[in-house]
Amino acid sequence: EIVLTQSPGTLSLSPGERATLSCRASQSLRNNYLVWYQQKPGQAPRLLIYGVFNRATGIPDRFSASGSGTDFTLTISRLEPEDFAVYYCQQYGSSLWTFGQGTKVEIK
Amino acid sequence: QVQLQESGPGLVKPSQTLSLTCIVSGGSISNGGYYWSWIRQHPGKGLEWIGYIYYIGSTYYSPSLKSRVTISVDTSENQFSLKLSSVTAADTAIYYCARYDSSAYDAFDIWGQGTMVTVSS
Repeated sequence: EIVLTQSPGTLSLSPGERATLSCRASQSLRNNYLVWYQQKPGQAPRLLIYGVFNRATGIPDRFSASGSGTDFTLTISRLEPEDFAVYYCQQYGSSLWTFGQGTKVEIK
Repeated sequence: QVQLQESGPGLVKPSQTLSLTCIVSGGSISNGGYYWSWIRQHPGKGLEWIGYIYYIGSTYYSPSLKSRVTISVDTSENQFSLKLSSVTAADTAIYYCARYDSSAYDAFDIWGQGTMVTVSS
């Protein structure tokens, strides 16, 4: 089973600042099945990024992502108030879906 | 647009079977390319994939829960269901149903709002 480790656990930033979130896989993700979700309190996760770097429908372009192999990054260029949330990465491999433990982006 | 809605008891006694249903509206569960899944989230914790069913009835479960999980589909009612047997307090969680789109996104693109299930006597 591929384990995803996200860092940092919590990111304390101010609106307008840049956020950089990391997701590291225990094995190389050869098929680029790396996805990012955003979850706000009391809500279900929302699809942000699929296929490593593709924004889902309706996701603003301040969200970008990159990576390959075992190291992946989600970047929020300028934090808006609505971006403070928990972000999860997720992968699919060997018929299993696994999620990272999440990174909370909180207001400093 | 497709929407998902979970339903079922919010309280289950230890050792009993947790049963939840996900109603799919705005689209047919029989459309190919989608894997209808259950995912749970323990209070204040991360996400755990439980398993999926394809509309023809093929299933795949997380190895850690496989011995206790059954997912079924009712295409006539456009819904799918989760049964988790022999529950303990460790099964207390928010349970989400979600659609995995294997054609456009290869991701869980639509989620239900989630339903909290507490295991307690």
